[in-house]
Amino acid sequence: AQRVTQPEKLLSVFKGAPVELKCNYSYSGSPELFWYVQYSRQRLQLLLRHISRESIKGFTADLNKGETSFHLKKPFAQEEDSAMYYCALSDLGNNDMRFGAGTRLTVKP
Amino acid sequence: DTGVSQNPRHKITKRGQNVTFRCDPISEHNRLYWYRQTLGQGPEFLTYFQNEAQLEKSRLLSDRFSAERPKGSFSTLEIQRTEQGDSAMYLCASGSRDRETNEKLFFGSGTQLSVL
Repeated sequence: AQRVTQPEKLLSVFKGAPVELKCNYSYSGSPELFWYVQYSRQRLQLLLRHISRESIKGFTADLNKGETSFHLKKPFAQEEDSAMYYCALSDLGNNDMRFGAGTRLTVKP
Repeated sequence: DTGVSQNPRHKITKRGQNVTFRCDPISEHNRLYWYRQTLGQGPEFLTYFQNEAQLEKSRLLSDRFSAERPKGSFSTLEIQRTEQGDSAMYLCASGSRDRETNEKLFFGSGTQLSVL
């Protein structure tokens, strides 16, 4: 069974500090990993996915198959980055997408 | 608004009553998902449609839950004989897969169910 673990429920950093939101997964197939974000009073939306190898809003995430991780990183956090972040896993052969429990990021001024 | 639309936004009901939620996906998306989310948890997969066919259903979904997507457009999720444990946010998402990757999902604002 596929599983996504986000070990930190809460993460607080100061503006301008680096931030890393951890995500570990367990799956024996060919996973595709995503990060979704939910800002206050907004709906859940895609931030980035590993297959695109993109940087969105300064965030990047690298899939490490050896460590089965997909940590989200940003070198200089901004106050507007404060939100709930969910790591998610899917597979080309499956139809469901599994989400982690989420990490609430707070960026303090 | 051309995004995913869910109605109602909030629903309060008494234990034992039936409730029905509606989801209107983005029109060109052939895939539709239902998720449930409780406080402090991530979205939990319930069921999935490709066009009008319900292709997958979570083992967590009891017989009191049923979902339909009659014409491959909007979908309904019905909960019969509601229980207090059904209180949650019910999220709908739609997407379309391209040849090489899984789709990204577009979520609705959800229906918050409170069972008294």
